[in-house]
Parts: sequence; structure tokens; C-alpha cells
Amino acid sequence: DSGVTQTPKHLITATGQRVTLRCSPRSGDLSVYWYQQSLDQGLQFLIQYYNGEERAKGNILERFSAQQFPDLHSELNLSSLELGDSALYFCASSVSGLAGSYEQYFGPGTRLTVT
Amino acid sequence: AQKVTQAQTEISVVEKEDVTLDCVYETRDTTYYLFWYKQPPSGELVFLIRRNSFDEQNEISGRYSWNFQKSTSSFNFTITASQVVDSAVYFCALSEARYSGYSTLTFGKGTMLLVSP
Repeated sequence: DSGVTQTPKHLITATGQRVTLRCSPRSGDLSVYWYQQSLDQGLQFLIQYYNGEERAKGNILERFSAQQFPDLHSELNLSSLELGDSALYFCASSVSGLAGSYEQYFGPGTRLTVT
Repeated sequence: AQKVTQAQTEISVVEKEDVTLDCVYETRDTTYYLFWYKQPPSGELVFLIRRNSFDEQNEISGRYSWNFQKSTSSFNFTITASQVVDSAVYFCALSEARYSGYSTLTFGKGTMLLVSP
């Protein structure tokens, strides 16, 4: 158990809908990352927050957004969902977001299925 | 741009065989970090090791060992006397420092290791 929690574990929804994925980092970790894992794209970095502020952005679609709250939990919002958004979404956390000097610990993931 | 290549898509071995998973990376930075993660069939990603670019010493942890060679931009992972529980997808990842000081992970496509009894 990495100490990172994600809810829900599974999510099935229809195209055009909006969903919110939630992540709680390990105790003491200030940085939260979101990743998408799909068969064709592999593991892709989406976005990083550090202590409530966005710090780095990857291949995140404009339909997707995220935030980190004062209690450090984070939410990833996916809207106008398409079939291609079906994937496993991971949240990870680390003590610091600086220069990869700390390992990232991953949550169990949320499997999103868009029908 | 940084890149991680894991050329072996899938490897099958019989229990007790040794197996090496290859990882080749590309980066323009002199300071970077390399990682290996394991993703068992249950789906979670498990951290195995982090290595910084200034430390080329090989590392051994039980049946696991890692060989870091900057000259060939490789960070290979060897499992000695493999066991069925080692069956998983293994990912190599690279982290570079961005100008802001913050960094992200770039993952390879992964190598699926199947260990049969």
C-alpha cells in the first residue's frame, strides 16, 4: 500500500458526460501528479500540482482540468467525455516536486470506461 | 525532448532463470533521474528504484540489480532466479529538471515479464 488513495476505483459513464476523479496524497507529500494509462498511448503525464499550485503540464486535453485543495487532496475533472478517454487514471504523490529528486508513489488508479 | 525506450515488449522465462530488462534513455540534461516501476496484474504501480545521473554505481537489492551506464545511456534491470510473483509489466522512467525546478516523469512503453513455473 503506497499510502495514496484514489476514488472511485471504477467508473462507467457515457460519452458527453463529465466525471471527477479524486486523489489523496501520502501524508506529508505536497506534490500531486496525474497520469493516464491507455493501451495505445502508454503511461502519459497529465499535470502536476505542488502545494495547491499548478507546476507542470503534460499532454492534458483542454476538456480536462485539475486542482489541488488546501488539504492537499486533488481532483481531476474530465468533461465532454469521448470513447478514447477510456483509460486507467493514476494519481501519484511525492514529498517535493523538485527535479525528480524524490520518487513518486502511485495510487491504485481509477479505471474509467466511456460507453 | 526526453525519451525512454524499452525495446523488449514481452519476455517469457521459466522460474529460476535470470532475466534482464533493457532501458535506453535520451536527454539533453546533465542532471536527471532514472526510475523503475513494477505494475503487477492487480494494476498498481510499485516504485522499485531511483538513480541520479551522478551516481553510476550499480545497485543490488535481493534478487534485483540495476546497471546504470551513462556511456550507453542505459539503465538495465536484472532479476536473478526469477519467480512467478515477478510476473508483471516493468516500466523504466526518466525525470529531468525543468527550468522551474519542477519535473515530471517520462515512461517507457513497458516490458511485460511472464515467469512460468
